[in-house]
Amino acid sequence: NAGVTQTPKFRVLKTGQSMTLLCAQDMNHEYMYWYRQDPGMGLRLIHYSVGEGTTAKGEVPDGYNVSRLKKQNFLLGLESAAPSQTSVYFCASSYASLYGYTFGSGTRLTVV
Amino acid sequence: EDQVTQSPEALRLQEGESSSLNCSYTVSGLRGLFWYRQDPGKGPEFLFTLYSAGEEKEKERLKATLTKKESFLHITAPKPEDSATYLCAVQAEIQGAQKLVFGQGTRLTINP
Repeated sequence: NAGVTQTPKFRVLKTGQSMTLLCAQDMNHEYMYWYRQDPGMGLRLIHYSVGEGTTAKGEVPDGYNVSRLKKQNFLLGLESAAPSQTSVYFCASSYASLYGYTFGSGTRLTVV
Repeated sequence: EDQVTQSPEALRLQEGESSSLNCSYTVSGLRGLFWYRQDPGKGPEFLFTLYSAGEEKEKERLKATLTKKESFLHITAPKPEDSATYLCAVQAEIQGAQKLVFGQGTRLTINP
């Protein structure tokens, strides 16, 4: 089925470790986004991309980096994980900014 | 500051008992308001986009309406499978670019 695929689905990290979350979409969407979802905080935008080779900061970018080397893939990196980064991470894509987003199923990350 | 507030935080209804969810927003120059449905452990699923005051959209038992300050999601004769968290989001400017800002959601439970 067409959509957004996130890997991994679950991960436990120790403080200071690094990891990369992968997001892949097969809908030929230009726009891709990384959000985090925390209880009582709602979904908050971390970084986004408006096309291959472009990235930009969202509301809460500190501690994260991203890359969009191929149109279908959007990677989110944590260079030195902190307990405050424990969250559920969602990737999304859209045809354009005013179109509905298609979300992946999420990555549940715990930093201990 | 652009804000989205949803109420109530949680709502429990009996099957067949109609009700409405509220989304109030403060944003400079609304370009679009979005409704999503999120099931536990899954990513949000797009439902509707509303672009201007007075606009209405329907999908099965759901109907979304928009005024200049708020949106309502009306649920008519709900069924247990309508149980989910419903998220509202508005298109707002973040660091010079138009992005979605989400409310915290309303957790809807429909009892059989």
